[in-house]
Amino acid sequence: SAVISQKPSRDICQRGTSLTIQCQVDSQVTMMFWYRQQPGQSLTLIATANQGSEATYESGFVIDKFPISRPNLTFSTLTVSNMSPEDSSIYLCSVEDGGWAQANYGYTFGSGTRLTVV
Amino acid sequence: GIQVEQSPPDLILQEGANSTLRCNFSDSVNNLQWFHQNPWGQLINLFYIPSGTKQNGRLSATTVATERYSLLYISSSQTTDSGVYFCAVEGETSGSRLTFGEGTQLTVNP
Repeated sequence: SAVISQKPSRDICQRGTSLTIQCQVDSQVTMMFWYRQQPGQSLTLIATANQGSEATYESGFVIDKFPISRPNLTFSTLTVSNMSPEDSSIYLCSVEDGGWAQANYGYTFGSGTRLTVV
Repeated sequence: GIQVEQSPPDLILQEGANSTLRCNFSDSVNNLQWFHQNPWGQLINLFYIPSGTKQNGRLSATTVATERYSLLYISSSQTTDSGVYFCAVEGETSGSRLTFGEGTQLTVNP
């Protein structure tokens, strides 16, 4: 199964600044996914990142606020820009694990980044 | 898009009790997973179960795809089972993405 390393695990940031979150996968994957979990809420998909093309954003999320990079098949970053306290959330990356699909495991998630904006 | 409803929203148990969590979904699915989110926010994959029944220790899950629901059974609950349990589905027509239910907050008291 794929193993995802996500960092930082947590951060406290000043409003108006930006934070870049990194996810490294130990195998090549076609798509990587970024989710947001606001306090006490469920997970919501922000965008899907394909290598070599622009990320596809879900309704309510825009590239200027959440720019994504996908330079190769094992790495992606999500930047939370011009942060406000409303951006305080857990951000998680995910992959559809092809190897796991054969073993019937589905999607795997990184350990998450807990962001607090003050 | 596909809708996912989980019940109950909250559940409080005494250690040793059994429980059943339910997930209803509104359309046919390619994938259904149950996750446990621990207090540190980490999402642990419990089951990949688009259909059928699986068991892993004290946990088991059943998905009846034709009736669009899945059940997660926890037997002999322990305090370490506490946390939020999420059901997430990939709809047949929604492309590669998971849609999450609102979760069940489980508290197991000693």
